[in-house]
Amino acid sequence: GNSVTQMEGPVTLSEEAFLTINCTYTATGYPSLFWYVQYPGEGLQLLLKATKADDKGSNKGFEATYRKETTSFHLEKGSVQVSDSAVYFCALSEGSNYKLTFGKGTLLTVNP
Amino acid sequence: DADVTQTPRNRITKTGKRIMLECSQTKGHDRMYWYRQDPGLGLRLIYYSFDVKDINKGEISDGYSVSRQAQAKFSLSLESAIPNQTALYFCATSETGTGGRETQYFGPGTRLLVL
Repeated sequence: GNSVTQMEGPVTLSEEAFLTINCTYTATGYPSLFWYVQYPGEGLQLLLKATKADDKGSNKGFEATYRKETTSFHLEKGSVQVSDSAVYFCALSEGSNYKLTFGKGTLLTVNP
Repeated sequence: DADVTQTPRNRITKTGKRIMLECSQTKGHDRMYWYRQDPGLGLRLIYYSFDVKDINKGEISDGYSVSRQAQAKFSLSLESAIPNQTALYFCATSETGTGGRETQYFGPGTRLLVL
């Protein structure tokens, strides 16, 4: 079956540091890949997505590239802010049932 | 107003009690989902519905049931609550889309504690 493995946290960074959160996946076909973010006390919201190999998703300074050869979708940001503190989930969707399979989430804390 | 609402936002109940969590959406989406979130486990799918007459079990449906009362409403019931159902529950919606590319939109969550 499908699965998503993401970097275990927590991750603590200083403001303006570079962020990478690793995500790799296992799927039988050609999934769409997503990063969702959960701010404290809120539900999840889509951060970015990519639907085919070599696509790059980007939003709010975050980027991730769909790498089929390494089955990866790593999240990066060049300069994090305190407001980026949240839990980040990598997810994939594949097949006719369109269900999302989530990773376990990575807690990011950014200190001033 | 929020597009996806959940009620209640917090609930404390006792073992053996029946409870219902409700979800409403104003996005006009056909597809609705129920997930539970546990620390260190991510989100796991309980049930999903592609329209009012199409309801399907997810990966952890045991101990839960659902009702799709209308396109906009999808309720989750715990028939006889047990402590290991203590979790954060999310409802989500999505459009009828194209091969899994569609975004899911999440409600704010219901925090449930079973004593």
